[in-house]
Amino acid sequence: AAGVIQSPRHLIKEKRETATLKCYPIPRHDTVYWYQQGPGQDPQFLISFYEKMQSDKGSIPDRFSAQQFSDYHSELNMSSLELGDSALYFCASSSRRDRVGYTFGSGTRLTVV
Amino acid sequence: AQSVTQLDSQVPVFEEAPVELRCNYSSSVSVYLFWYVQYPNQGLQLLLKYLSGSTLVKGINGFEAEFNKSQTSFHLRKPSVHISDTAEYFCAVSDASNFGNEKLTFGTGTRLTIIP
Repeated sequence: AAGVIQSPRHLIKEKRETATLKCYPIPRHDTVYWYQQGPGQDPQFLISFYEKMQSDKGSIPDRFSAQQFSDYHSELNMSSLELGDSALYFCASSSRRDRVGYTFGSGTRLTVV
Repeated sequence: AQSVTQLDSQVPVFEEAPVELRCNYSSSVSVYLFWYVQYPNQGLQLLLKYLSGSTLVKGINGFEAEFNKSQTSFHLRKPSVHISDTAEYFCAVSDASNFGNEKLTFGTGTRLTIIP
């Protein structure tokens, strides 16, 4: 079965650079969520989208932005990267219609040096 | 807002022994409850979830959990653990009244270590 696809799997950036993470939800899933998991931490909710509109916002820095496109894939843009942004970034998708539940991608490990 | 407490940050258990990982939650509204497992350097895999109905929920890999509304708990259990169960386990909650916007609030995790 198709899963949530995240790219890239690993990313190394320098301080003050910009990074873009991509998420491709399961087909027919209309809602995308982004989470950040720091080293040894629990995942923290960043932002979510339903039908290409932002539906909720968590502890997402102003330096980060995200959007969901017409094909339902989502991108998380991170600017002016800081060392503290080094983390595992997860995307998850779900379907409001089918209530099939939450599926997480394998994550993108971002390392800021 | 919801919160989740996993009191045990680390739980060592001998192989083939039973295990219980504790999870308590706090919420002013009704909730959905989840347990996720995370193996080293991997993503989050859903073990089981409680949405409604029977309070005893069975999941994958022989795990089960019981929802106790009066004690606001959702403890995870397995009668006999294997080496392959060594992982980090996260309890999570979402707002059941906010249909379709089910962001998760996670506990801080419990590291389960199986001792041969």
